[in-house]
Amino acid sequence: AQKITQTQPGMFVQEKEAVTLDCTYDTSDPSYGLFWYKQPSSGEMIFLIYQGSYDQQNATEGRYSLNFQKARKSANLVISASQLGDSAMYFCAMRENSGGGADGLTFGKGTHLIIQP
Amino acid sequence: DVKVTQSSRYLVKRTGEKVFLECVQDMDHENMFWYRQDPGLGLRLIYFSYDVKMKEKGDIPEGYSVSREKKERFSLILESASTNQTSMYLCASSPRTGEETQYFGPGTRLLVL
Repeated sequence: AQKITQTQPGMFVQEKEAVTLDCTYDTSDPSYGLFWYKQPSSGEMIFLIYQGSYDQQNATEGRYSLNFQKARKSANLVISASQLGDSAMYFCAMRENSGGGADGLTFGKGTHLIIQP
Repeated sequence: DVKVTQSSRYLVKRTGEKVFLECVQDMDHENMFWYRQDPGLGLRLIYFSYDVKMKEKGDIPEGYSVSREKKERFSLILESASTNQTSMYLCASSPRTGEETQYFGPGTRLLVL
């Protein structure tokens, strides 16, 4: 079974609209972290936002917020007021902390977001 | 700023060649990782290392080996490159513990002919 599921392979959104990118995860580890990365066409992976499994509040970083619904195992990324520069691949990832933090991340297959003017 | 560098952005090799991909980080991070990225598959973990001379297999280690002789450097080795190893390879590093993200290098696009 996939540990990270991103159900939207691609999305077209009008500039200035809000965007929600879906991510569901599967783990039995009580301690885990969830990450969102942006990958523009240049290829570099840009860290956007982090949510720990014990965090009570949803994480926010500027225009990015993470809608964390623990019972549903959902960690959707919300981008407010989208911009043309937001066009990129977006990856949801999880780290299960039972390995002491040295373990790698498990990534979803990504969502290709295109912002239209 | 954390900086992770990879030796090449683009590489073309022939089937059967031995290929070295080098990764260097300048933040004294204990953990280093190698991923490959393929369209429609996301990133998959090949190997990781949590200390000098230590290595652990990730999800897809077959056909690869790694070397970590110095803390700042983590090498991925393709002993005998095959066409199915054509991919984008991404190196990352992170501190030993904590909530910090992994910091990624720019990636190496490898084409095996």
